[in-house]
Amino acid sequence: KNQVEQSPQSLIILEGKNCTLQCNYTVSPFSNLRWYKQDTGRGPVSLTIMTFSENTKSNGRYTATLDADTKQSSLHITASQLSDSASYICVVSAYSGAGSYQLTFGKGTKLSVIP
Amino acid sequence: EAQVTQNPRYLITVTGKKLTVTCSQNMNHEYMSWYRQDPGLGLRQIYYSMNVEVTDKGDVPEGYKVSRKEKRNFPLILESPSPNQTSLYFCASSLSAGVEGAFFGQGTRLTVV
Repeated sequence: KNQVEQSPQSLIILEGKNCTLQCNYTVSPFSNLRWYKQDTGRGPVSLTIMTFSENTKSNGRYTATLDADTKQSSLHITASQLSDSASYICVVSAYSGAGSYQLTFGKGTKLSVIP
Repeated sequence: EAQVTQNPRYLITVTGKKLTVTCSQNMNHEYMSWYRQDPGLGLRQIYYSMNVEVTDKGDVPEGYKVSRKEKRNFPLILESPSPNQTSLYFCASSLSAGVEGAFFGQGTRLTVV
């Protein structure tokens, strides 16, 4: 069964500090992995998307890494800001044949950045 | 501006009263999907559509219906809502399934009493 596990469940950091969120997956056959940021009560917004051949992708202060061998991804946030307070969701896509893909969602990491 | 628009944003209804949540996208995307989000469970896919007149069940389709008569619209229908369908609902679209980063709507908070 395809699964995506995120850790930690929640995290509190001081403004200006860096942090790293983890995503481990057992999804096959792997197509791509995406990180989303979701503000409370709002729709998720895509941060990065990586395919099998990509091991790093950046979007401003957000850097995602992918190790397809160990089936792990991380999202590193540099110099955190109060506006980074949100839930971060890891989503892995698997090709299921006939042009169809199955998405498996992690439950998210809730990040709180405090002054 | 590229966007996915859901309506209504908030809805309180009574058990058994049919309702429709609309979803429209202006990006000419082929793939559209509906999700519900509940505390501790994350996002779960209800239905998805690969293209016009092509729909399929996601992980939690019971109690829901969808239709895709036009490329831009993908309404979610609850024929007989029940309290366990109280949730936050999101519509999403992408150029193709599983490849592009999906665009999500603003969400619809539904309460069934």
